[in-house]
Amino acid sequence: AQSVTQLGSHVSVSEGALVLLRCNYSSSVPPYLFWYVQYPNQGLQLLLKYTTGATLVKGINGFEAEFKKSETSFHLTKPSAHMSDAAEYFCAVNSGGYQKVTFGTGTKLQVIP
Amino acid sequence: NAGVTQTPKFQVLKTGQSMTLQCAQDMNHNSMYWYRQDPGMGLRLIYYSASEGTTDKGEVPNGYNVSRLNKREFSLRLESAAPSQTSVYFCASSISGSYNEQFFGPGTRLTVL
Repeated sequence: AQSVTQLGSHVSVSEGALVLLRCNYSSSVPPYLFWYVQYPNQGLQLLLKYTTGATLVKGINGFEAEFKKSETSFHLTKPSAHMSDAAEYFCAVNSGGYQKVTFGTGTKLQVIP
Repeated sequence: NAGVTQTPKFQVLKTGQSMTLQCAQDMNHNSMYWYRQDPGMGLRLIYYSASEGTTDKGEVPNGYNVSRLNKREFSLRLESAAPSQTSVYFCASSISGSYNEQFFGPGTRLTVL
């Protein structure tokens, strides 16, 4: 079985401040982990993904995430928030089943000028 | 390269009416998916097609049917719409398997009265 928990359905940060979006997963096997972003009235697009190897993964738009097996976490960070980062962010896990990706419930990021 | 396209963008139905949501991709992907997105629930998989000629149920298939018409097209049919099917529907595709990046369409916003 696999599951994803995203802590905080809404997060607000000031422009220029650190962005930290939390994701914890449950998986019985080494997982594939993803972060997707959804801008208003659009579909989701991939920010970054972890498969194997280096645990710090860099994505688009300055985002990165670190896979921590001991903590079963895959938190998303960005050093300095920009107004254009305002969107909804989804963490997702695939435990190796060919077609089974489970999405978290999403975190809406608000950036305050 | 249009990516993943969906029609229609918006639809209002009365309870009991039927309709088909259309999806097409031009990336020569093998796998295609239908999700529904509801507030606070993230994305839930309705049906998927691992490859042309195959379809399988996802997490919430009741009330829906699908057809993988060819490699490009994957349609979702509501035979007798219910208010509980009011949602935003996303089609997605991946080269092969959901452990690869999924590319999402812009969504169809469906209201069932």
